[in-house]
Amino acid sequence: EDKVVQSPLSLVVHEGDTVTLNCSYEVTNFRSLLWYKQEKKAPTFLFMLTSSGIEKKSGRLSSILDKKELFSILNITATQTGDSAIYLCAVELDGGKLIFGQGTELSVKP
Amino acid sequence: NAGVMQNPRHLVRRRGQEARLRCSPMKGHSHVYWYRQLPEEGLKFMVYLQKENIIDESGMPKERFSAEFPKEGPSILRIQQVVRGDSAAYFCASSSNRVGTEAFFGQGTRLTVV
Repeated sequence: EDKVVQSPLSLVVHEGDTVTLNCSYEVTNFRSLLWYKQEKKAPTFLFMLTSSGIEKKSGRLSSILDKKELFSILNITATQTGDSAIYLCAVELDGGKLIFGQGTELSVKP
Repeated sequence: NAGVMQNPRHLVRRRGQEARLRCSPMKGHSHVYWYRQLPEEGLKFMVYLQKENIIDESGMPKERFSAEFPKEGPSILRIQQVVRGDSAAYFCASSSNRVGTEAFFGQGTRLTVV
């Protein structure tokens, strides 16, 4: 069975801290891995990763994929209260179907 | 580009009634996916449709649930004879499905069965 597991499930940090969110997967027919941020609304797209070892960056967020060890990490540096959200990792299979992890709930305290 | 549009945003139904959830994909997207998010759980795949075709319905409950994506108009997720356990947020995503493109999500419809 295709499976995506995220850790930790929840995390509380203070503003300015750096956090690392983990995502491991076991799937057949891997196409890509995606990270989404979900506040009280639709998941919003952060990154799509298809190749191992190539870091993607967007401001204070960055992510990397290891297709040999079957995991990805999402880093957030200098966290702000606005980073508080659920971060979802999803693996896209051939055909476009997404398999989601349970999400990591990040809470950034002032 | 208006993005993926879902309506209604909130829907309240009594047990036994029917719920119809609508999703208009982004302009130029012909692939639609429905996901369900139960309280305290992640998003679960339900069904994948292209225009007039169901491609993968492996995540759909066998009874009471159906989906369509007609040639004209939005995709519809239909739940007949709703039960309390159907209460959830239902998200629609669309993509062009070219390799290397991501799926974009709508705002979701929050269904509450009373």
